Amino acid sequence: GAGVSQSPSNKVTEKGKDVELRCDPISGHTALYWYRQSLGQGLEFLIYFQGNSAPDKSGLPSDRFSAERTGGSVSTLTIQRTQQEDSAVYLCASSRQGYYGYTFGSGTRLTVV
Amino acid sequence: RKEVEQDPGPFNVPEGATVAFNCTYSNSASQSFFWYRQDCRKEPKLLMSVYSSGNEDGRFTAQLNRASQYISLLIRDSKLSDSATYLCVVNRGGSQGNLIFGKGTKLSVKP
Repeated sequence: GAGVSQSPSNKVTEKGKDVELRCDPISGHTALYWYRQSLGQGLEFLIYFQGNSAPDKSGLPSDRFSAERTGGSVSTLTIQRTQQEDSAVYLCASSRQGYYGYTFGSGTRLTVV
Repeated sequence: RKEVEQDPGPFNVPEGATVAFNCTYSNSASQSFFWYRQDCRKEPKLLMSVYSSGNEDGRFTAQLNRASQYISLLIRDSKLSDSATYLCVVNRGGSQGNLIFGKGTKLSVKP
């Protein structure tokens, strides 16, 4: 597609529920990244996929967070047993090569109530 | 020390002013540097890369001082449309994978 597509754009969930966030990167981009941004805060790195290599999961804040990327394209970020502190905007980005030319999606705004 | 530090501002300047933002980074192994722009409630967008020799793109000039681990962005002849948060971004040295984002400096250009 023309840009990075994320869905849903907004998600309100009850504490303790699981949520899945989806990212569809730009066609041909081999690198895919997940970040999150809490209100008034900077972007926090979560996870990075590059081609067929093992993902860099070093930024995932707890084992409640997981992500997969199927067929080198679409990625799903799953948060299990959501907590209020998980409320944030979750941003996905893709790039053709490494960290140059990141293009971000418009994000999923997650609110845990 | 934080990996990337910026003055949060806000910088409130009149149209036509020249404004400069600074940023420091902690990892001497970092090799690549960028400025991103983020409008309110929008995703970040790449403004420009920062090269050792310094580089210019229209009204925007970026400088890098590796010895001091310091990056700057200069905006000349500010426009109302320049109002945004400017993010200093550095790659995490040793990893091809990810970028570290500063919390940003907020700029507000007034008529």
